[in-house]
Amino acid sequence: GESVGLHLPTLSVQEGDNSIINCAYSNSASDYFIWYKQESGKGPQFIIDIRSNMDKRQGQRVTVLLNKTVKHLSLQIAATQPGDSAVYFCAENTHRSDKLIFGTGTRLQVFP
Amino acid sequence: DGGITQSPKYLFRKEGQNVTLSCEQNLNHDAMYWYRQDPGQGLRLIYYSQIVNDFQKGDIAEGYSVSREKKESFPLTVTSAQKNPTAFYLCATSAGDRGADTQYFGPGTRLTVL
Repeated sequence: GESVGLHLPTLSVQEGDNSIINCAYSNSASDYFIWYKQESGKGPQFIIDIRSNMDKRQGQRVTVLLNKTVKHLSLQIAATQPGDSAVYFCAENTHRSDKLIFGTGTRLQVFP
Repeated sequence: DGGITQSPKYLFRKEGQNVTLSCEQNLNHDAMYWYRQDPGQGLRLIYYSQIVNDFQKGDIAEGYSVSREKKESFPLTVTSAQKNPTAFYLCATSAGDRGADTQYFGPGTRLTVL
């Protein structure tokens, strides 16, 4: 099977609880951020994005928070479900660059 | 996965052989990217193309080659010069010619060198 995600930090949550996954970024010039979800053996799936002129954005069951002061990004998943089990990683970019910079990811495990 | 297809899903190669991974998209996106993913590491950019007949090296281009003859296609060749080719390879596309646009990924190809 897919071995992506070995040795990643892991967050274990009970089904129905809220999950918070964190990401620190290093480039203070970054102005665009994306969260991706990657299930075992599959390609990353876009979840939600946010630009630096916002500090919060909500989607369906997910919320992304951006704190530019401390260069921190978080993904909140409400009422976590077994299907949310995956590796989650953030990506950042600046409008001057043509490349995204990806974090290493966090594994989310949901138990009943 | 959307309109991005990668084939094959699994690929086995003997040492010393070149192998080509396919990436096709029907999203009419201008930009296409190839990434390599290894366990416990983030995605690393191999090559990218912002327009047909043009491409640029990413962070780990050595041992790889690409072409962009059509907007829909961006094949990646893993050559025998690549020292450690066993990995999960991901193709992505974005609508604009800037990485600042959202990138969408294909399902990936797992390459194993025997």
